[in-house]
Amino acid sequence: QKEVEQNSGPLSVPEGAIASLNCTYSDRGSQSFFWYRQYSGKSPELIMFIYSNGDKEDGRFTAQLNKASQYVSLLIRDSQPSDSATYLCAVTRTNTGNQFYFGTGTSLTVIP
Amino acid sequence: NAGVMQNPRHLVRRRGQEARLRCSPMKGHSHVYWYRQLPEEGLKFMVYLQKENIIDESGMPKERFSAEFPKEGPSILRIQQVVRGDSAAYFCASSRIDRGLGTEAFFGQGTRLTVV
Repeated sequence: QKEVEQNSGPLSVPEGAIASLNCTYSDRGSQSFFWYRQYSGKSPELIMFIYSNGDKEDGRFTAQLNKASQYVSLLIRDSQPSDSATYLCAVTRTNTGNQFYFGTGTSLTVIP
Repeated sequence: NAGVMQNPRHLVRRRGQEARLRCSPMKGHSHVYWYRQLPEEGLKFMVYLQKENIIDESGMPKERFSAEFPKEGPSILRIQQVVRGDSAAYFCASSRIDRGLGTEAFFGQGTRLTVV
């Protein structure tokens, strides 16, 4: 079983819609959860992180964490064509130092 | 505050040569991670290091690949006797030593290795 699983997509949404990206993780000891965005040919850049159950909002982005279901999601409101990228979910657990476990990413296309 | 610096950005090697990839972490960061990415694929973990210590090298091939993070200077990922299958983007990330919740890792721009 993979540490972190994401649907590879591609996910397509029209401009202005809400994009919903999902991620599940296997280890209940996972403590911190990160979302990265990677444009084609570029390096991953951190969008936001969450470690408490519930929602965390940052601009148009909202991360949601449900530890009971081992599920973390990223909502992008008012999606823009510039949001078209691959979104990577990552988790860390302190019993492995600060090791980052990445999913394979979900490709998002926002259609103008 | 400079970000994670990787060099070279592009590296071309002939089969059988050695490739050395360098990563200087962000100021104040003492953890370094190396990942490999093939076109249209996800990040594949290779190795996780602290200064002078390898924490986890479970993702690194046993032969031809080695990594170090000396007390002074950048982290080095070394690939000996490169083969065409080593062609990929190699990303380095760094994080602080603080293992509190939400300790982020930041990525460098990557080194694109092409083996001809």
